Amino acid sequence: GQQLNQSPQSMFIQEGEDVSMNCTSSSIFNTWLWYKQDPGEGPVLLIALYKAGELTSNGRLTAQFGITRKDSFLNISASIPSDVGIYFCAGQDQTGANNLFFGTGTRLTVIP
Amino acid sequence: DTEVTQTPKHLVMGMTNKKSLKCEQHMGHRAMYWYKQKAKKPPELMFVYSYEKLSINESVPSRFSPECPNSSLLNLHLHALQPEDSALYLCASSHLPSTAGYNSPLHFGNGTRLTVT
Repeated sequence: GQQLNQSPQSMFIQEGEDVSMNCTSSSIFNTWLWYKQDPGEGPVLLIALYKAGELTSNGRLTAQFGITRKDSFLNISASIPSDVGIYFCAGQDQTGANNLFFGTGTRLTVIP
Repeated sequence: DTEVTQTPKHLVMGMTNKKSLKCEQHMGHRAMYWYKQKAKKPPELMFVYSYEKLSINESVPSRFSPECPNSSLLNLHLHALQPEDSALYLCASSHLPSTAGYNSPLHFGNGTRLTVT
């Protein structure tokens, strides 16, 4: 299957700091998605990116679809305690199916 | 609140039991998915249904049997499971890819936490 490498694996930051995480793939993707998962819950869609080079914001979150179509990053500005959770990148390819290939996840801890 | 509803939230079953996980969505999505997620790992695809027909089976053991009775419902029937099958089982749904090739994001339920004893 497709391999997506996500970094960093975990982050400990002070409340108010900015956060950056990224995802790289050995294959090209049509779509990049970013999800957040809280304990005991399913992944929640944060941002979807559909075109190479696209930069999209959702509140304090900003994500970009890399020009090579093999990478994406997610930035969170002015972190707050409720940003705690696991962030997953995911890619969708051109096979005609929508199934996701997930990154390994970034566990974010925000210290008040 | 998620628009994909999964029941039960928790399930404990013995290795000889038969149980079913249920998933429901009313977003008009015609693709539905089962994922399995172990602790501290990303979700792994198990099955995909398109227009109520099984389109992808990721070599899942036959002790897991999916069923899609209609466009809103997805079941996962469980029989003779092993302790290593304990995990969070996630259901998701999406629109199908467009004929122009544009993908559609998946929307997940909150999962069923399954423990096999």
